[in-house]
Amino acid sequence: GDSVTQMEGPVTLSEEAFLTINCTYTATGYPSLFWYVQYPGEGLQLLLKATKADDKGSNKGFEATYRKETTSFHLEKGSVQVSDSAVYFCALGGNTPLVFGKGTRLSVIA
Amino acid sequence: GAVVSQHPSWVICKSGTSVKIECRSLDFQATTMFWYRQFPKQSLMLMATSNEGSKATYEQGVEKDKFLINHASLTLSTLTVTSAHPEDSSFYICSPPGKRESYNEQFFGPGTRLTVL
Repeated sequence: GDSVTQMEGPVTLSEEAFLTINCTYTATGYPSLFWYVQYPGEGLQLLLKATKADDKGSNKGFEATYRKETTSFHLEKGSVQVSDSAVYFCALGGNTPLVFGKGTRLSVIA
Repeated sequence: GAVVSQHPSWVICKSGTSVKIECRSLDFQATTMFWYRQFPKQSLMLMATSNEGSKATYEQGVEKDKFLINHASLTLSTLTVTSAHPEDSSFYICSPPGKRESYNEQFFGPGTRLTVL
């Protein structure tokens, strides 16, 4: 079945550092890919998405590109802030319930 | 995005009791509701899918007699954990999908943390 693998956390970075969270997937067909973010005490929020190969999703300085050849959707941000501290989930789906990775906890320190 | 609420946000109960979790879509009609469970440091795992007016479908390994799901209306779905045991302690999240142009976006409730003593 479909699955998502994302890098284990936690990830601790200093403010303004570059962030990469790796995500690879296994799926039949051509799913949409998503990154969700969960801030402490809150529900999951959609951060960005890509619905087809080579699409780049972007939001709040975060970017991820749908790479079909490497089955990847790595999340990047050029300069993280303390307010970016959260758990990030990579997911795939579209017309079916989303399948999630395990989540990566990011802590950004000033 | 859509607003989804869950009640309660956290609950502690004794082993053997039943706990009901309510999920409400506040600003749109949800004909379908996904229920997920998230154990500490684990991913969200789909438990079941409910549809308004019909029986819920459960994922493999999820006991339908233990996790009762009722999709009472287009704005309310409930999950009842019957005869709860400590191993049922988890974070339960409801998620109604909403149709977009080319994909179904899912919205998420804030979750309910259940602790069974």
